[in-house]
Amino acid sequence: NAGVTQTPKFQVLKTGQSMTLQCAQDMNHNSMYWYRQDPGMGLRLIYYSASEGTTDKGEVPNGYNVSRLNKREFSLRLESAAPSQTSVYFCASSEAGGGTGGLAFFGQGTRLTVV
Amino acid sequence: QKEVEQNSGPLSVPEGAIASLNCTYSDRGSQSFFWYRQYSGKSPELIMFIYSNGDKEDGRFTAQLNKASQYVSLLIRDSQPSDSATYLCAVNSLNTGGFKTIFGAGTRLFVKA
Repeated sequence: NAGVTQTPKFQVLKTGQSMTLQCAQDMNHNSMYWYRQDPGMGLRLIYYSASEGTTDKGEVPNGYNVSRLNKREFSLRLESAAPSQTSVYFCASSEAGGGTGGLAFFGQGTRLTVV
Repeated sequence: QKEVEQNSGPLSVPEGAIASLNCTYSDRGSQSFFWYRQYSGKSPELIMFIYSNGDKEDGRFTAQLNKASQYVSLLIRDSQPSDSATYLCAVNSLNTGGFKTIFGAGTRLFVKA
């Protein structure tokens, strides 16, 4: 039972380079999220997708783009990496909200360093 | 105003004491509330969820919800050094883009042996 799988686990980029973080879930969840976590800042929502075919901005979307490729996969792209994007990135998925919905399952995280 | 607010701590309690963690949220229409624990370098893991006013107990953990005051708390009884971690409050609510889950910044808890 894989749950939420994100790749890569570690990445070092030079300023201006681009890359895509991949995320896939096998729990048939409708909602998927990308968060970043910086020291002392908790988890901040970058983008989310409430269902296949929809995406919406979170708290800190600038510098990122996302694609909900299908129900399983939700990717995060950095078009031109900047040192301010050095962070740990978490992908998560959940059932749609309401009641007990919104309970999030997390991937293992991607530690990204931009030099 | 942040959507979900927590005291960043650190909160330090002696072993065996009760640790009390608090969280407030801004969206009165929020429906589901979660507490996650995160050890350094690891992913958050779910401890409790609650969606009705009142208390919900699970072992040493009790979640309390007061929707009128927009307040949710987590009590940890008989705190152990292994409880030392960052505790994240999360709130799920409906927005124009659909339901989304927003996290607070987390409270660091230290349990002293």
